[in-house]
Amino acid sequence: AQRVTQPEKLLSVFKGAPVELKCNYSYSGSPELFWYVQYSRQRLQLLLRHISRESIKGFTADLNKGETSFHLKKPFAQEEDSAMYYCALRRETSGSRLTFGEGTQLTVNP
Amino acid sequence: DTEVTQTPKHLVMGMTNKKSLKCEQHMGHRAMYWYKQKAKKPPELMFVYSYEKLSINESVPSRFSPECPNSSLLNLHLHALQPEDSALYLCASSQIPRTQPQHFGDGTRLSIL
Repeated sequence: AQRVTQPEKLLSVFKGAPVELKCNYSYSGSPELFWYVQYSRQRLQLLLRHISRESIKGFTADLNKGETSFHLKKPFAQEEDSAMYYCALRRETSGSRLTFGEGTQLTVNP
Repeated sequence: DTEVTQTPKHLVMGMTNKKSLKCEQHMGHRAMYWYKQKAKKPPELMFVYSYEKLSINESVPSRFSPECPNSSLLNLHLHALQPEDSALYLCASSQIPRTQPQHFGDGTRLSIL
């Protein structure tokens, strides 16, 4: 069975510092990986998907199949980036079913 | 309209009550989902509807009864819930194929007394 691991429940950085939220997965096939973000009292929103290879709000994430990782990075964190971040995996055969990691609460301090 | 709208935002009910959660989207999405989310935890998939037909039921207790009356609406009927069912219930939708990203609503925060 597939699994998504986000090793850090909490991550705190200062404004302007680089930030990396880790995501590792276990799945032998060809997964699709996503990052979702949930700001305080707001809905869960799609931030990135690996097949788009785009940068949203300064965040990027690269799928590393060798290391089975999909880490989320931003070179200069902003206070408004404070939120809960979930990494999610979709198997190529599962259609719609997403497997979420436990999430990382990011706090960006002034 | 690019939103998934859920009503009510908050619901408090007793264990013997019957209530319904509603979800609506007008993006032309033909896949709709119900998730349950406990505090500080990721969403857990409950049900998936595809073309208004139930395609996935993640072994959810029968006290939760989903309904998809048309392509824009999704309901979740609640009856005889337990205190541990208190959670945030999220609705989501996506295009078909269901490989497309899911768009989430704000959720209904449900409290069972």
